Amino acid sequence: AQKVTQAQTEISVVEKEDVTLDCVYETRDTTYYLFWYKQPPSGELVFLIRRNSFDEQNEISGRYSWNFQKSTSSFNFTITASQVVDSAVYFCALSAPGDYKLSFGAGTTVTVRA
Amino acid sequence: DTEVTQTPKHLVMGMTNKKSLKCEQHMGHRAMYWYKQKAKKPPELMFVYSYEKLSINESVPSRFSPECPNSSLLNLHLHALQPEDSALYLCASSQDPSGQYYNEQFFGPGTRLTVL
Repeated sequence: AQKVTQAQTEISVVEKEDVTLDCVYETRDTTYYLFWYKQPPSGELVFLIRRNSFDEQNEISGRYSWNFQKSTSSFNFTITASQVVDSAVYFCALSAPGDYKLSFGAGTTVTVRA
Repeated sequence: DTEVTQTPKHLVMGMTNKKSLKCEQHMGHRAMYWYKQKAKKPPELMFVYSYEKLSINESVPSRFSPECPNSSLLNLHLHALQPEDSALYLCASSQDPSGQYYNEQFFGPGTRLTVL
């Protein structure tokens, strides 16, 4: 069985602060994929990143960065110099090869105040 | 084009009405999904179509009836819904979940459904 835990329910920061979202996962699969999605108030889930289990290289995309640590089963997401437009619910998700299903975490609501 | 479109954006219906939600993608994806999302919860998978065939039905009540007329279109027919069915209904698509691709799913903007 697969499980994703996002322990932080809500995070509130002031603009320009950094914010880190935690994601811990459980799986018995040796190959698996991890994802982060952003859901702004408009409702659409926006795909941010996919990470394969065999690639532990961290990634940076603009103000976003991801830290994948297989040893601790974590895939954390950091927003640097947050902006009001970053306010959204962020979901971490997990799937296995050939699996249609995404196992979502409960989501973390990020509020960035001006 | 990485867009999934959904219509309508909002829908209000009575418990005796029949309505349909529509979803379209032109990314050449061969898997399409319907999700239901309640407020402050993650999306819950309802149905999966793979190569236009229903692959997964997550024990969804029969008042929800999916249809995949072709590889680009996905419908969700609604009949005799209950107020607790009010939610955001999201459509998604992915390339080919048969094992050769990574199956990131691309979501549409959703239909906010209210059942009175």
